[in-house]
Amino acid sequence: AQSVAQPEDQVNVAEGNPLTVTCTYSVSGNPYLFWYVQYPNRGLQFLLKYITGDNLVKGSYGFEAEFNKSQTSFHLKKPSALVSDSALYFCAVRVLMDSNYQLIWGAGTKLIIKP
Amino acid sequence: GAGVSQSPSNKVTEKGKDVELRCDPISGHTALYWYRQSLGQGLEFLIYFQGNSAPDKSGLPSDRFSAERTGGSVSTLTIQRTQQEDSAVYLCASSALVVSADTQYFGPGTRLTVL
Repeated sequence: AQSVAQPEDQVNVAEGNPLTVTCTYSVSGNPYLFWYVQYPNRGLQFLLKYITGDNLVKGSYGFEAEFNKSQTSFHLKKPSALVSDSALYFCAVRVLMDSNYQLIWGAGTKLIIKP
Repeated sequence: GAGVSQSPSNKVTEKGKDVELRCDPISGHTALYWYRQSLGQGLEFLIYFQGNSAPDKSGLPSDRFSAERTGGSVSTLTIQRTQQEDSAVYLCASSALVVSADTQYFGPGTRLTVL
């Protein structure tokens, strides 16, 4: 079955340290992968996506993600975390279901950046 | 408009009543999606519309849920005979195209509480 996994419910990082939020996927064909962020009491915001080309994708707010085909992963990273990065992060992958494309979403990872 | 808007932002209703949630997508976006997010959970796909095509209703949890999209723009999600388990945040998103990997842009959501 096609799926997306975010194995960590919560990630705690000290401000200024690098952060990684993990995402792995299982889809048929070439994956289109996305990261979204949800700040408290706000709607989801697009961060970045991978469709093709360079495996390292740069997005909003200094975030980047690396597509690794052999490991079927698309981990979200940032070199130096800010307290304001504290939010809920969702990984998603586009899949073809019943002749229509949909996004399958991970369960989300709560990122807490401590000052 | 500048972004996806949803109304109301909050809705409290009594069990058994019907509710209507509205979504106004970004002008020109042909694809519109409804999701449900329960507290602390990921996104649950409900339904999407693409242009004038028949909507994909595969995610609707029961026949109490229905949605329509008038004139290819505004959409209304209706929940009949609400139950307490319907309590959640209902998110609407739109994108320029559903066939490609176009980014989905989310509204702020409607928080539904069924007493």
